[in-house]
Amino acid sequence: EAGVAQSPRYKIIEKRQSVAFWCNPISGHATLYWYQQILGQGPKLLIQFQNNGVVDDSQLPKDRFSAERLKGVDSTLKIQPAKLEDSAVYLCASSPKGLAGPYEQYFGPGTRLTVT
Amino acid sequence: SQQGEEDPQALSIQEGENATMNCSYKTSINNLQWYRQNSGRGLVHLILIRSNEREKHSGRLRVTLDTSKKSSSLLITASRAADTASYFCATDAIQGAQKLVFGQGTRLTINP
Repeated sequence: EAGVAQSPRYKIIEKRQSVAFWCNPISGHATLYWYQQILGQGPKLLIQFQNNGVVDDSQLPKDRFSAERLKGVDSTLKIQPAKLEDSAVYLCASSPKGLAGPYEQYFGPGTRLTVT
Repeated sequence: SQQGEEDPQALSIQEGENATMNCSYKTSINNLQWYRQNSGRGLVHLILIRSNEREKHSGRLRVTLDTSKKSSSLLITASRAADTASYFCATDAIQGAQKLVFGQGTRLTINP
């Protein structure tokens, strides 16, 4: 079974520029998550999708971050404009989720973003 | 916000020794999960323990959960160099939401 795919793996941009990250979850997984992990800290949930609907985006800085999950499969996370404090690893995860849960989450390798 | 707090923040032991990491959390939970993260890689799920369970084993891993103290521990027995990684506890606090809140992690180093 293929894992969660993310691209790009690394990205360096200047502040005020925009950037987009892509995630392809494990086939059949209904729930998709985006996390931000700052160096030395644990992952922080940014947004959770169930199929193509948003379940939780309470910690997403909506003035600059946006995310979508078209057709309930792939997802993109965008930052516009980027700030220095956005430098972090952005992790995508998926889980099967369902009435018979709970389920573990499967993580992709992450995208390391550096904002200069 | 970080729900779980791991202790210690860093741990260094000799290969073959046992490693114990602790996690404390603040609110009632449905389940607690432990994840491992190797340097520069994504997280890998290790074990899930439900709120009505007190202990769970998986290979060299043993997890305990004390809901009265709102704490959990992860024991790795007979440690190996490949166990060098950061270990995170994550709590699922809202019924049906499958939303995990991660702690800050424990950095474990196994010395050969």
